[in-house]
Amino acid sequence: EAGVTQFPSHSVIEKGQTVTLRCDPISGHDNLYWYRRVMGKEIKFLLHFVKESKQDESGMPNNRFLAERTGGTYSTLKVQPAELEDSGVYFCASSGGASNTGELFFGEGSRLTVL
Amino acid sequence: AQSVTQLGSHVSVSEGALVLLRCNYSSSVPPYLFWYVQYPNQGLQLLLKYTTGATLVKGINGFEAEFKKSETSFHLTKPSAHMSDAAEYFCAVRNTGGFKTIFGAGTRLFVKA
Repeated sequence: EAGVTQFPSHSVIEKGQTVTLRCDPISGHDNLYWYRRVMGKEIKFLLHFVKESKQDESGMPNNRFLAERTGGTYSTLKVQPAELEDSGVYFCASSGGASNTGELFFGEGSRLTVL
Repeated sequence: AQSVTQLGSHVSVSEGALVLLRCNYSSSVPPYLFWYVQYPNQGLQLLLKYTTGATLVKGINGFEAEFKKSETSFHLTKPSAHMSDAAEYFCAVRNTGGFKTIFGAGTRLFVKA
């Protein structure tokens, strides 16, 4: 069974540019989460999808961030325009399936550097 | 609001020594508690979890943790450290019935030969 995959693994962009991160969850997982870790701090919750619906987006920093999950499969997280403080590692996780024990399955993360 | 505090951003132990990573949480309702581990260039993976029942939970690679409600703690231990245990460890909490998992800042474990 394929795990959670994220693309790109690294992205370096200039301030003001746009970046789109993609996450493919484990097949059959209805729950998809985005998290961000900045400079060795805690892994902060951004938002939670149940299928294609946003269940909780309380952690989204501002309206420069847009997450979508069309069709309830893969998800994208777009940052437009990017600012210096957006640098960090963006993690995607999924959960659910036949036995939802609360465990999150994580991708390897997308490291974003804004110059 | 829920929160997680991990005491010590870095912990260093000698190979064969006891590993103790501390975690305290706050939650207004009974929590689910987790420890995740991240090895270099990998995603986080579940080490162990507490949901209900026995408060001493055993996980992979010889790790265990004990849920102590009175102390709001969920410390992670391993009797004898191995070089392969060097990684970053994250404590996390989730409300029963909820979906949002809150993570601590992580503790990086170094193991000396």
